[in-house]
Amino acid sequence: GAVVSQHPSWVICKSGTSVKIECRSLDFQATTMFWYRQFPKQSLMLMATSNEGSKATYEQGVEKDKFLINHASLTLSTLTVTSAHPEDSSFYICSARRGLYEQYFGPGTRLTVT
Amino acid sequence: TQLLEQSPQFLSIQEGENLTVYCNSSSVFSSLQWYRQEPGEGPVLLVTVVTGGEVKKLKRLTFQFGDARKDSSLHITAAQPGDTGLYLCAGAGDMRFGAGTRLTVKP
Repeated sequence: GAVVSQHPSWVICKSGTSVKIECRSLDFQATTMFWYRQFPKQSLMLMATSNEGSKATYEQGVEKDKFLINHASLTLSTLTVTSAHPEDSSFYICSARRGLYEQYFGPGTRLTVT
Repeated sequence: TQLLEQSPQFLSIQEGENLTVYCNSSSVFSSLQWYRQEPGEGPVLLVTVVTGGEVKKLKRLTFQFGDARKDSSLHITAAQPGDTGLYLCAGAGDMRFGAGTRLTVKP
């Protein structure tokens, strides 16, 4: 099956710094990618939908200036958490769409802000 | 925004039992997807249902899409410990998830 990778798999950063998370579709081109965050024991919360070559569409309540998304190519989308704070600590997951219904998720990135 | 409600929220059963979990909405969906997620990993797509009334089988898992395309169910026959995980439904278009059903199958 198709593979989606995320890098890094985990990261610890200090409060006030920025962190970039990469999401790559390794063996297919993805016109649409999705970014989620997931708190322990909870479901995935959609943060934004990212289309290659255009601005991301953010969900209500998600600060676009804090969570910068760049979908620079058909195989790469990045999420940058700017001026991170401890409350931003979470599990961030991306997914990439292939075709109409095929959806593949990355393994997730665990962010801890100290 | 199309909201999906999943029930039950938690389910703990013994190996060999059958179970059904539900995904309901007041909105009509063109298609719904079911996923399973294990701790520390991304969700894995199990099935996509598109047609109202559709039934799909994946080994011991049976998925049904309601006639009105507002609800779906997942039935597991003879559950095994390997079925343990978080079961999620999502609209295939907007990719928003329900709250999930956390299933534990005890040996």
